Amino acid sequence: KQEVTQIPAALSVPEGENLVLNCSFTDSAIYNLQWFRQDPGKGLTSLLLIQSSQREQTSGRLNASLDKSSGRSTLYIAASQPGDSATYLCAAHTRGNEKLTFGTGTRLTIIP
Amino acid sequence: DTGVSQNPRHKITKRGQNVTFRCDPISEHNRLYWYRQTLGQGPEFLTYFQNEAQLEKSRLLSDRFSAERPKGSFSTLEIQRTEQGDSAMYLCASSLEFYGYTFGSGTRLTVV
Repeated sequence: KQEVTQIPAALSVPEGENLVLNCSFTDSAIYNLQWFRQDPGKGLTSLLLIQSSQREQTSGRLNASLDKSSGRSTLYIAASQPGDSATYLCAAHTRGNEKLTFGTGTRLTIIP
Repeated sequence: DTGVSQNPRHKITKRGQNVTFRCDPISEHNRLYWYRQTLGQGPEFLTYFQNEAQLEKSRLLSDRFSAERPKGSFSTLEIQRTEQGDSAMYLCASSLEFYGYTFGSGTRLTVV
C-alpha cells in the first residue's frame, strides 16, 4: 500500500528566501507524482506533474524533482513571496491503482 | 474550457437530511474522481469513473453515499441521512488517462 509523507508539517521563512519542500513515498512503481497548492478553504491547484520517466519539471520559480529509487520528490521555490503562502500537497499515482495517494501537506508561511 | 466545476460551493444541512453535489469535469477527460478532505488532512479517495462506469469505490463510501455519472459527462454525489462526521470538503477531479489530475474548487459540507 502506497504511503506518502510530507515533512515538515509547517514551515515559516522570510520573504525572498529559497526553500525546499519534501515528499517521500513508499512504492516506487508510480505513473507520476503531482504537486498541488491549496489555499485555505479552497480546492487544489496543480503546480507540477512529473512523469515516472522524468527527473524534474520547472514552472517559473518552481522546480520539482523526482528520485524513484529513493522514493523522494522535492519542490523548490525560488525567491519566495508572501503570495506563496499556502498548503503544498504532493500526490503519487501508483501503477495498478486508479487513485492518487496524498501526503498531509506542508503549510508554508512567507513572512514579509 | 474553464476547468472542473463543482456546485454548490458551500452546503449547510441538518443532520438526517439528504444532500447532492454536482461536478462538471473538463469535457475531454474520460476519468472522474471524488475525494473527501477533512481539516489538516490530505484528500482521501472515494470513488472513480471511467466514462460512465463506476470502476472503484473506497471503503469510506458507506451505503449512505452514492455517485453517478450518466452518459459519461457530469457526476453527482449524494449523501443520504447525513451525519456530523460527513462534514468535510468534497473534491472532484478529472483526468485524461494518466496525464495528471485537475481538481475543482470543492464543495464544503457542514452538517449541523
